[in-house]
Amino acid sequence: DAGVIQSPRHEVTEMGQEVTLRCKPISGHDYLFWYRQTMMRGLELLIYFNNNVPIDDSGMPEDRFSAKMPNASFSTLKIQPSEPRDSAVYFCASSAGREWAPLHFGNGTRLTVT
Amino acid sequence: GEDVEQSLFLSVREGDSSVINCTYTDSSSTYLYWYKQEPGAGLQLLTYIFSNMDMKQDQRLTVLLNKKDKHLSLRIADTQTGDSAIYFCAERYSGAGSYQLTFGKGTKLSVIP
Repeated sequence: DAGVIQSPRHEVTEMGQEVTLRCKPISGHDYLFWYRQTMMRGLELLIYFNNNVPIDDSGMPEDRFSAKMPNASFSTLKIQPSEPRDSAVYFCASSAGREWAPLHFGNGTRLTVT
Repeated sequence: GEDVEQSLFLSVREGDSSVINCTYTDSSSTYLYWYKQEPGAGLQLLTYIFSNMDMKQDQRLTVLLNKKDKHLSLRIADTQTGDSAIYFCAERYSGAGSYQLTFGKGTKLSVIP
């Protein structure tokens, strides 16, 4: 089991540029989550999907953020245009569809917007 | 709404026991989790406990749950330098479609050799 795979590991971009973060969940998991981690706010849930369908996107900060899951093995989180306050570590996690099932996290993408 | 609180820092000597505490507010929480995060890595699941249990032990880890006080603790016996990390408590509350977890801000454990 390769675990949840995220790319890139690090992203440095200039303010105003588009950023795309990628995630491959664990095979067979039907829930996928995007979290953002900062020192000030800790871990924040941005959005989660069930069977490729967005269920709750109330944590998405603004319209500049969008997420898609075109199939069961791939998801993207896009920020357009990016701003310095978007700098954070973005984690993708997946879980199997059972009530007790824990989340399995990727190693994250560290985003720096200058 | 649900909220999870943890102290931010804990320092212990190698070989001693560590106890990391967590309080939560949602009385309908069904499952509670402990995750470990090492520098530059994602969150790694350590253990979890059902809300109808009082205790769970797994090798050096002991989880205690006091539902009345909404208090969860993680005890690490014989703490090693490799245990230095940030430890997150998380709860899953019952409710329609509640497959997401709410995390505390994490407790940074420093182990002194």
